[in-house]
Amino acid sequence: DAGVIQSPRHEVTEMGQEVTLRCKPISGHNSLFWYRQTMMRGLELLIYFNNNVPIDDSGMPEDRFSAKMPNASFSTLKIQPSEPRDSAVYFCASSLGGFSGTDTQYFGPGTRLTVL
Amino acid sequence: DQQVKQNSPSLSVQEGRISILNCDYTNSMFDYFLWYKKYPAEGPTFLISISSIKDKNEDGRFTVFLNKSAKHLSLHIVPSQPGDSAVYFCAETLLTGKLIFGQGTTLQVKP
Repeated sequence: DAGVIQSPRHEVTEMGQEVTLRCKPISGHNSLFWYRQTMMRGLELLIYFNNNVPIDDSGMPEDRFSAKMPNASFSTLKIQPSEPRDSAVYFCASSLGGFSGTDTQYFGPGTRLTVL
Repeated sequence: DQQVKQNSPSLSVQEGRISILNCDYTNSMFDYFLWYKKYPAEGPTFLISISSIKDKNEDGRFTVFLNKSAKHLSLHIVPSQPGDSAVYFCAETLLTGKLIFGQGTTLQVKP
């Protein structure tokens, strides 16, 4: 398996522009997670889906952020409008969805977003 | 407020010696604690976990110790190797399956 695939790997945009990050989870995995990594706060969970349904979006910073999972093999995280403080590395992860500590999450390589 | 804290942003150790990475938590209602390892330009990868009902778990050179009374856990790497140089995240998993990560500790193992 190719693992979790994220695109683009790098994104540089200007403040106010719309940004869309994409993720393809591992085939057969039922849970998908979006994280943001910053120096100050480390890895923060933004939202996660189980069987394509959003379960917990309490980590989404504000209304400028939205996430969708139209099918089991694709998810997007959109920021509109983007701001410089959104600059971070965004990770997507997937797991079998067993809801236990032994349900390992597998991370993609991340998208480094820079908002100028 | 951070539920999982890694108070040391960085650690430098000589090859062959022991590396000890620490993590403190506030929430007693956790299921497991996990350690993830991250190399530059890659996503984190799972390293080792410990159940809330245990106080120690060992896997080769890696051992996790859990002190529930102090709400503290530590990851020991013995002996440390240059390839262990990475960022290490501890994370608690809640009963819902959600992971709460710490800020990470950068380990440098010098040859």
